[in-house]
Amino acid sequence: GAVVSQHPSRVICKSGTSVKIECRSLDFQATTMFWYRQFPKQSLMLMATSNEGSKATYEQGVEKDKFLINHASLTLSTLTVTSAHPEDSSFYICSANPGLAGYNEQFFGPGTRLTVL
Amino acid sequence: AQKITQTQPGMFVQEKEAVTLDCTYDTSDQSYGLFWYKQPSSGEMIFLIYQGSYDEQNATEGRYSLNFQKARKSANLVISASQLGDSAMYFCAMREGYTGANSKLTFGKGITLSVRP
Repeated sequence: GAVVSQHPSRVICKSGTSVKIECRSLDFQATTMFWYRQFPKQSLMLMATSNEGSKATYEQGVEKDKFLINHASLTLSTLTVTSAHPEDSSFYICSANPGLAGYNEQFFGPGTRLTVL
Repeated sequence: AQKITQTQPGMFVQEKEAVTLDCTYDTSDQSYGLFWYKQPSSGEMIFLIYQGSYDEQNATEGRYSLNFQKARKSANLVISASQLGDSAMYFCAMREGYTGANSKLTFGKGITLSVRP
């Protein structure tokens, strides 16, 4: 199968600071990665599509300047939550697909739990 | 309008019995894919099963089967011989379009399954 990792798995920060979350495809290249946000007991909501070498595509209602996405290589996408506030506390999870025959599903990272104090 | 609808309240099933988790979808695309993912309390998203819109046979993966009724736009997940480890949140998701790598998933709100010993 295809493996996606995320780092860190858990982060606690003070209000006003910025937090960077990394999403890596470990054994395949991914021109596209997806970032989701999940509040407790709720569904995954797509935040943005990360495109290697170009700007991310954000979903309606997601602040581009708040959630900075950089997809600088074929195996790494980063999500930076700028000037984080308590309402940004959530579970952030990324996904990717190898784009090869037989791989229909998105492979998800283990997620990052962000707590903003 | 919701694209993926999961309306069941939390489900309970006795260990070793079968359970059906409902999912209906809405799309005007002819090509689409339907997925079920399991999310235990750890937060990881575990892929269970995939059904393509052109697949004539219902998908099966071990104890999981997908009851695909295209005309009714339903894609119910059947878990046979439930195990305690099946207790988790289950999400139905849809990919519109044919390709896997660059197509985002839309998730239903999920359903909590609890397996009783």
